[in-house]
Amino acid sequence: DQQVKQNSPSLSVQEGRISILNCDYTNSMFDYFLWYKKYPAEGPTFLISISSIKDKNEDGRFTVFLNKSAKHLSLHIVPSQPGDSAVYFCAASEGSSNTGKLIFGQGTTLQVKP
Amino acid sequence: DTEVTQTPKHLVMGMTNKKSLKCEQHMGHRAMYWYKQKAKKPPELMFVYSYEKLSINESVPSRFSPECPNSSLLNLHLHALQPEDSALYLCASSQETLYNEQFFGPGTRLTVL
Repeated sequence: DQQVKQNSPSLSVQEGRISILNCDYTNSMFDYFLWYKKYPAEGPTFLISISSIKDKNEDGRFTVFLNKSAKHLSLHIVPSQPGDSAVYFCAASEGSSNTGKLIFGQGTTLQVKP
Repeated sequence: DTEVTQTPKHLVMGMTNKKSLKCEQHMGHRAMYWYKQKAKKPPELMFVYSYEKLSINESVPSRFSPECPNSSLLNLHLHALQPEDSALYLCASSQETLYNEQFFGPGTRLTVL
């Protein structure tokens, strides 16, 4: 049973436009969420996180929105750049359990066209 | 120093070999992790070390044996692996296990013949 789902395997956007990547979760105990970017043959790179006490967190071109009632989060990238082309994973944890255990979604491949 | 390093980058081993993967971080992080990632799949947690003590083993077969010699180093000892163990093995670290983002190394690409 997948507790974290990224239902779109791929997304293609034009350079300069907004990229919106979505993630749904089923476990109501999750209270800490993260987004990672991964290039081929490299480890995931941390992008941005959000705890369940917030509904939005911004860092430069990246904004994460959390809708707890819908158990949904999204990552907005504005403006999108060709270097953003990568696989994006959302991850969730029961932060309060203090295990450090992250559950990852299946990933969404983003292609930003020049 | 804000990176996690892993050696070797690539490893090919036979099913009767014994080999080790090494991970190092100098960020003062007290939690370290091993993940396994198969092609087109998300990373799957294998082990968590917190303050040099094993805190989580995700029912990993005993042919994988983790070791944390000190707070900066994490090893994964491999013995009698199967071809299906071929994967990218990722190491990560975080300040602590509580609400902390994990920083990943580049991984070791393992092929078991």
